[in-house]
Amino acid sequence: NAGVTQTPKFQVLKTGQSMTLQCAQDMNHNSMYWYRQDPGMGLRLIYYSASEGTTDKGEVPNGYNVSRLNKREFSLRLESAAPSQTSVYFCASSEAENYEQYFGPGTRLTVT
Amino acid sequence: GQSLEQPSEVTAVEGAIVQINCTYQTSGFYGLSWYQQHDGGAPTFLSYNALDGLEETGRFSSFLSRSDSYGYLLLQELQMKDSASYFCAVRSFSGGYNKLIFGAGTRLAVHP
Repeated sequence: NAGVTQTPKFQVLKTGQSMTLQCAQDMNHNSMYWYRQDPGMGLRLIYYSASEGTTDKGEVPNGYNVSRLNKREFSLRLESAAPSQTSVYFCASSEAENYEQYFGPGTRLTVT
Repeated sequence: GQSLEQPSEVTAVEGAIVQINCTYQTSGFYGLSWYQQHDGGAPTFLSYNALDGLEETGRFSSFLSRSDSYGYLLLQELQMKDSASYFCAVRSFSGGYNKLIFGAGTRLAVHP
């Protein structure tokens, strides 16, 4: 079992560029989440998907969109990157909504 | 609003015991989780308390008092590898959905 995988691991974007962060889990979990973590801070929820076919906004959704492609995959898209989106992005999944969450290794994104 | 407070830093020596406190303010409280994160790594789940009392898992224990909106993580027989950031996270229902709100984290430094 690979658990939760994320691609890419690192990315540098210029302001205004777009990109999609990919996430997949092989634990047959229903719920998936995208968080961002800024230096010295906790994780803030961007979007989540309680089950296949549903997505909902979290605490900081502005500037992002998501797609729950199937039960395994949950992608995060930045349509027009801004320097304020420089952060580490973590994808997570859980069997029950918000119970024990399993995190991917993260994507370190820099927007210049 | 919702908020969590935990100390920003704690220092201890190998073999000692350390307690990391977390106080929270939230509506629709379900439970309190603890996650560990090493530098450059992903958060990993440590424990979850839904009911008052102490939960023990090896060297780590977690406590919850719902009436006091307070919990703590107790780490015993500290080892160098316990140097990491520890996040408390409240599971709650508010704003129309279940969510996990993370504290800003406590950085634990274990010295020889």
